[in-house]
Amino acid sequence: DTEVTQTPKHLVMGMTNKKSLKCEQHMGHRAMYWYKQKAKKPPELMFVYSYEKLSINESVPSRFSPECPNSSLLNLHLHALQPEDSALYLCASSQVGGRVLEQFFGPGTRLTVL
Amino acid sequence: GENVEQHPSTLSVQEGDSAVIKCTYSDSASNYFPWYKQELGKRPQLIIDIRSNVGEKKDQRIAVTLNKTAKHFSLHITETQPEDSAVYFCAASTAGYKLSFGAGTTVTVRA
Repeated sequence: DTEVTQTPKHLVMGMTNKKSLKCEQHMGHRAMYWYKQKAKKPPELMFVYSYEKLSINESVPSRFSPECPNSSLLNLHLHALQPEDSALYLCASSQVGGRVLEQFFGPGTRLTVL
Repeated sequence: GENVEQHPSTLSVQEGDSAVIKCTYSDSASNYFPWYKQELGKRPQLIIDIRSNVGEKKDQRIAVTLNKTAKHFSLHITETQPEDSAVYFCAASTAGYKLSFGAGTTVTVRA
């Protein structure tokens, strides 16, 4: 399996809702990433997990809470979001090594916050 | 931190012609330079990458060149086809997990 999968594809939520985004990969990668992408802009890194431990948090607001239950799964828990959080949320994975390694993206979850 | 500039922001080419996108980076320690293609509504897809110990890399109709002295790298697409229409992002990385992306180039191939 050479793909990163994400569910759901689309999500509409109110500002008081709690929801979760899910990401899965079976490529044996030990690094997993969450990115946020606004229309016509490049992806912005949010979080990186390496060997199931949070390695990077790019000063993301606490209304976004990542979780890595095991080496294949990555979740992003959402609560009390704002309309400006509406975006495409991309998951990615890569191997871990002594040099920078290729990141492979999932199809994304298009999130709309009302 | 690393700053990557990408030009042009939009590019329209006739089918069969070549397309060139250029990126410059600021951190001389950067050693990995991937290019991603993102079609409308789709995921970014790695199409080619180059490391700092290589000056040029080619894969069928696409090629990437790297000039470490000038701190710039370029994507070349030859014999463009309608399916090459997409947004292309360059990126640079020094080490670890962080990619610094350029702002993107929207390429339109006219039939």
